Amino acid sequence: GNSVTQMEGPVTLSEEAFLTINCTYTATGYPSLFWYVQYPGEGLQLLLKATKADDKGSNKGFEATYRKETTSFHLEKGSVQVSDSAVYFCALEDGSSYKLIFGSGTRLLVRP
Amino acid sequence: DVKVTQSSRYLVKRTGEKVFLECVQDMDHENMFWYRQDPGLGLRLIYFSYDVKMKEKGDIPEGYSVSREKKERFSLILESASTNQTSMYLCATHMDRGPNYGYTFGSGTRLTVV
Repeated sequence: GNSVTQMEGPVTLSEEAFLTINCTYTATGYPSLFWYVQYPGEGLQLLLKATKADDKGSNKGFEATYRKETTSFHLEKGSVQVSDSAVYFCALEDGSSYKLIFGSGTRLLVRP
Repeated sequence: DVKVTQSSRYLVKRTGEKVFLECVQDMDHENMFWYRQDPGLGLRLIYFSYDVKMKEKGDIPEGYSVSREKKERFSLILESASTNQTSMYLCATHMDRGPNYGYTFGSGTRLTVV
């Protein structure tokens, strides 16, 4: 069945460091892929998405490229800020049912 | 923007109580979902609905039921709350076409069962 695996956290970085959070998936067909962010005490917000192979999603300096050959959708940001501290979830959408299947989440802590 | 409103941010209930978690959307989305979020497990789908009076079991439906009497409202029901249902519950709607394709989540209800 469909599944998503993302790197365990927490990830602790200094401000302005480069961020990578790895995400790989297992799926039949070509699902849409998403990154969601959850700030402390809040619900989930869509960060970016990609709906087909080689698409690059981007938002607020974050990027992720849909790699079919490696079944990956790694999240990157060139220079993190303290305000990026949050939990990040990778997810895929089951195209036949619209169900979202989530990874376990990665907590990011950015220190000044 | 689509708004998804969950009626309570925090709830404390006793074991054995019947608990209702309410979710209301202000757009005309057919698809609505209930997830629970637990540390280290991510989000897991409890129930979903594609239309009024329609419901489908998700991956972890045991101990839960749902009600969708109107398109804008999707309620999650804990028939007899237990301590292992202490969790964060997230409601979401889904737009399946157009530029706003994808999910919109509510801000969550943190339920504690004592």
